[in-house]
Amino acid sequence: GEDVEQSLFLSVREGDSSVINCTYTDSSSTYLYWYKQEPGAGLQLLTYIFSNMDMKQDQRLTVLLNKKDKHLSLRIADTQTGDSAIYFCAETPTTDSWGKLQFGAGTQVVVTP
Amino acid sequence: EPEVTQTPSHQVTQMGQEVILRCVPISNHLYFYWYRQILGQKVEFLVSFYNNEISEKSEIFDDQFSVERPDGSNFTLKIRSTKLEDSAMYFCASISRSGTLNTGELFFGEGSRLTVL
Repeated sequence: GEDVEQSLFLSVREGDSSVINCTYTDSSSTYLYWYKQEPGAGLQLLTYIFSNMDMKQDQRLTVLLNKKDKHLSLRIADTQTGDSAIYFCAETPTTDSWGKLQFGAGTQVVVTP
Repeated sequence: EPEVTQTPSHQVTQMGQEVILRCVPISNHLYFYWYRQILGQKVEFLVSFYNNEISEKSEIFDDQFSVERPDGSNFTLKIRSTKLEDSAMYFCASISRSGTLNTGELFFGEGSRLTVL
């Protein structure tokens, strides 16, 4: 079945770049997402990419998609303490299942001063 | 900016009681969803709803669960007889549209934390 895997933890110094990685198994994935969850809060949509794209940039965020390796990454430039959170990778398998997302377990990002 | 709103933010209930969680999706959205996140576990899809009926549901969404859109704004999740293992954060979501097309952007509410004692 479909599975989405992420590393569980990332520590980064303030001002450095963070790279969060994600792999998925479903080759028919259409949309791939990154969500941010701060403690006790909901899921904030950061960015998403359609599977026919290789890259998407949005201010400090860069998403890279390698469809061949089924690998998705999120780069955060100039990481700030406010970026400390759990980051979830998710994918939706087909356009017939709009909004039915398969989530990874989340990567806890800790930004140190 | 429009957002998905959920109530209550936290509900404590006794095992066996009925619970209704409420959501107000973003106004021009047509597809609605419930997800749950048990503490320390992945976010899991429960059900999708479109045109006043369930379009897809997961194995978790058994006969104890039901969804309803009782009016033009609210979208509810009912758990008929809660069990201890229903304790989780429940997220409502809706997908945005551009004209007649879904954009793929799925927006979540802040969640309703359900604690079953």
